[in-house]
Amino acid sequence: QKEVEQDPGPLSVPEGAIVSLNCTYSNSAFQYFMWYRQYSRKGPELLMYTYSSGNKEDGRFTAQVDKSSKYISLFIRDSQPSDSATYLCAMSTTNAGKSTFGDGTTLTVKP
Amino acid sequence: GAVVSQHPSWVICKSGTSVKIECRSLDFQATTMFWYRQFPKQSLMLMATSNEGSKATYEQGVEKDKFLINHASLTLSTLTVTSAHPEDSSFYICSAEKSEGLAGVVQFFGPGTRLTVL
Repeated sequence: QKEVEQDPGPLSVPEGAIVSLNCTYSNSAFQYFMWYRQYSRKGPELLMYTYSSGNKEDGRFTAQVDKSSKYISLFIRDSQPSDSATYLCAMSTTNAGKSTFGDGTTLTVKP
Repeated sequence: GAVVSQHPSWVICKSGTSVKIECRSLDFQATTMFWYRQFPKQSLMLMATSNEGSKATYEQGVEKDKFLINHASLTLSTLTVTSAHPEDSSFYICSAEKSEGLAGVVQFFGPGTRLTVL
């Protein structure tokens, strides 16, 4: 079993929809949680990062961490066609060092 | 900001030749950088961790003599694919660590290098 499981998708939604992207994990030592967005043939771009449990909001994006359930989510409000990409969750146990990535969820937002 | 660049963005080479890929952190210093490869529609596969001034740490199954990593300065790491073969064709991506306060140390990625070996 993988340490990080990400909803595989693909996900297709109409423009303006609320999107929920999710990851579960098994390692209770994970404390740092990140979401990356990757467009086709490009490197991943950091979207959100959080430490421990709670919510963090940045514009149309909200990251949510529930350590008791070992579950993290990224919500996208008022989704736009430009949000069409692959979204990767990542997490780490320490303040430095390698992260463990999910396999990614591909999102398509249709105009 | 935290900008990481890679050069070249794409390269085509003949089988048996060596190819060097550079990864630079442009506006911050990075003691640690990572090298990944990614096949189409698949996630990132960590190849090695590159530490400035010391030997790289390779993941299991990655040939260190084939994928040479040099992290000679706090802003530059290089990956050399030696004696490249068609099966080495892939998308290679680097990342550099940067401290982001309470959020800890976060990886910022380069734009990737597409290697095609004929």
